[in-house]
Amino acid sequence: DSGVTQTPKHLITATGQRVTLRCSPRSGDLSVYWYQQSLDQGLQFLIQYYNGEERAKGNILERFSAQQFPDLHSELNLSSLELGDSALYFCASSHPTKGLAGGYEQFFGPGTRLTVL
Amino acid sequence: DQQVKQNSPSLSVQEGRISILNCDYTNSMFDYFLWYKKYPAEGPTFLISISSIKDKNEDGRFTVFLNKSAKHLSLHIVPSQPGDSAVYFCAASEDDKIIFGKGTRLHILP
Repeated sequence: DSGVTQTPKHLITATGQRVTLRCSPRSGDLSVYWYQQSLDQGLQFLIQYYNGEERAKGNILERFSAQQFPDLHSELNLSSLELGDSALYFCASSHPTKGLAGGYEQFFGPGTRLTVL
Repeated sequence: DQQVKQNSPSLSVQEGRISILNCDYTNSMFDYFLWYKKYPAEGPTFLISISSIKDKNEDGRFTVFLNKSAKHLSLHIVPSQPGDSAVYFCAASEDDKIIFGKGTRLHILP
């Protein structure tokens, strides 16, 4: 158990709909990252928040948005869903200070599997 | 443009032998490299890492080698065990942003 929680575990919805994925980081972690993993694809970085502020943006579509709340949990909002949005969505968190090995490690949640029909 | 490349989508290794997973990167500003392991229906779990100031880091059966001049790193697993069958992601970071490769699926054969 990484200490990162994600809800829901599975989500099935229809095209055109909007969904919200939720993530709670490990205690003490200030950064939250969102990734998308489609079939046979690697982990595509979507967006990072640090202590409530957007810090970095990756390949995130305009139909997607995220936020991090004062209690540090984060939500990823996906709207106008398309079939191609079906994927595993992972949240990860990291501590604000480097680890003993000299870098930042990310700890991943179990993921939310989104199926768009 | 892939900054972190894992050119082998899959690899099969006999149980007890050495598994070698390879990774190449293009950005010389990366200062920290990581390997993650992922089982189906689970999130990736951190396995081992190496700072750019080192060329080798060992943790039990797992050793990561870094060749900065070639911009190449590898993960060695010795001896390979059935539970090592998983997808392995190579990752490289600059500060707290991590770029992942597409992964290599490792099959350990009995």
